[in-house]
Amino acid sequence: IAGITQAPTSQILAAGRRMTLRCTQDMRHNAMYWYRQDLGLGLRLIHYSNTAGTTGKGEVPDGYSVSRANTDDFPLTLASAVPSQTSVYFCASSEGPASDEQFFGPGTRLTVL
Amino acid sequence: GQNIDQPTEMTATEGAIVQINCTYQTSGFNGLFWYQQHAGEAPTFLSYNVLDGLEEKGRFSSFLSRSKGYSYLLLKELQMKDSASYLCAVEDSNYQLIWGAGTKLIIKP
Repeated sequence: IAGITQAPTSQILAAGRRMTLRCTQDMRHNAMYWYRQDLGLGLRLIHYSNTAGTTGKGEVPDGYSVSRANTDDFPLTLASAVPSQTSVYFCASSEGPASDEQFFGPGTRLTVL
Repeated sequence: GQNIDQPTEMTATEGAIVQINCTYQTSGFNGLFWYQQHAGEAPTFLSYNVLDGLEEKGRFSSFLSRSKGYSYLLLKELQMKDSASYLCAVEDSNYQLIWGAGTKLIIKP
């Protein structure tokens, strides 16, 4: 692994289904983030984690949950997917939570029907 | 509320210079970032400004005026590979990034 990876690359999901997007980094970064990117809108923060064992809510957390059991992994779960969650999801990491460059994964394109 | 404004789209000619502006109103300010995002790819870091003035990095420069809530990204000697979206983001008082919608830059030969 080099950098930050996400899985799956893309997914089509039926409404009401549960889905977990995976994110793994090998840079030993303390902070990790989940964003969604929609056409015409800026990246919007869903959840973040400043260090392993802690998580926080971003701008648009409803319908999503995260966990940070260790430094490397930061999965994002949609408990019951809805069509408005159709988006491109980016995971990112940085050395610290403040004023540090964020490194982004390649993204997951999720379609909820 | 928090707001980041940048033009939706700009067009420039290969070899020329282009300036992409960003204005912001946020709850606190801990720095301003510029990222580049090619279509279908992830954003990648270009620059970070926390003090007023110009930061130069090769063909790219970024300027900040905190009193005016204004920044610009200057791209010189444009190349076709510079065709991308350029994202302005401000770090607020909670150290979270507030992102603009991005400026799509189209380079013509």
